[in-house]
Amino acid sequence: GAVVSQHPSRVICKSGTSVKIECRSLDFQATTMFWYRQFPKKSLMLMATSNEGSKATYEQGVEKDKFLINHASLTLSTLTVTSAHPEDSSFYICSALTGGNYGYTFGSGTRLTVV
Amino acid sequence: GENVEQHPSTLSVQEGDSAVIKCTYSDSASNYFPWYKQELGKRPQLIIDIRSNVGEKKDQRIAVTLNKTAKHFSLHITETQPEDSAVYFCAALNAGNMLTFGGGTRLMVKP
Repeated sequence: GAVVSQHPSRVICKSGTSVKIECRSLDFQATTMFWYRQFPKKSLMLMATSNEGSKATYEQGVEKDKFLINHASLTLSTLTVTSAHPEDSSFYICSALTGGNYGYTFGSGTRLTVV
Repeated sequence: GENVEQHPSTLSVQEGDSAVIKCTYSDSASNYFPWYKQELGKRPQLIIDIRSNVGEKKDQRIAVTLNKTAKHFSLHITETQPEDSAVYFCAALNAGNMLTFGGGTRLMVKP
């Protein structure tokens, strides 16, 4: 079945540094990738939608200059958290539309801790 | 935009009992309703889904019902087992392929 590989699974970084999270579709072409953020014991909140070859669409309240999304190919989308702060610590997870039949496939998630 | 409400937020049942989780949605154009099970620190796993042209769907111990008129759908788990303990999320997919999640239900099955 459709697989989305997300890396890294865990990352600890210092305040002020940037962190890149990658999501790759392994056996299908992901024209659309969704990026979610999940705080402990909370639901998944959509941050942005990325379409291959075009600029990402950000949800209200999400800073596009802080959360840089790149979807340069049909199999790779990246989220870069720039100038990270402790309040950016969260679980970030991507999801791709697999096409037909409303299929959604989630990456394994990245737990970001900013110290 | 779409708004999905999910209840209850926590649910504790005895092993072997049934568990019911309910969700309502606001966008009448939503046409696909998946349910996800999420264990701590892991990705959501699709456990069952239903499309708007179907009223009920069953897969072994899990069933989902949909009432389009009332805009609500429910997850039913029968004969619960300790391994069913997890957080369950409902979701609704609108015409723009945007998936909106409910707030989640923490299910605890006591042996």
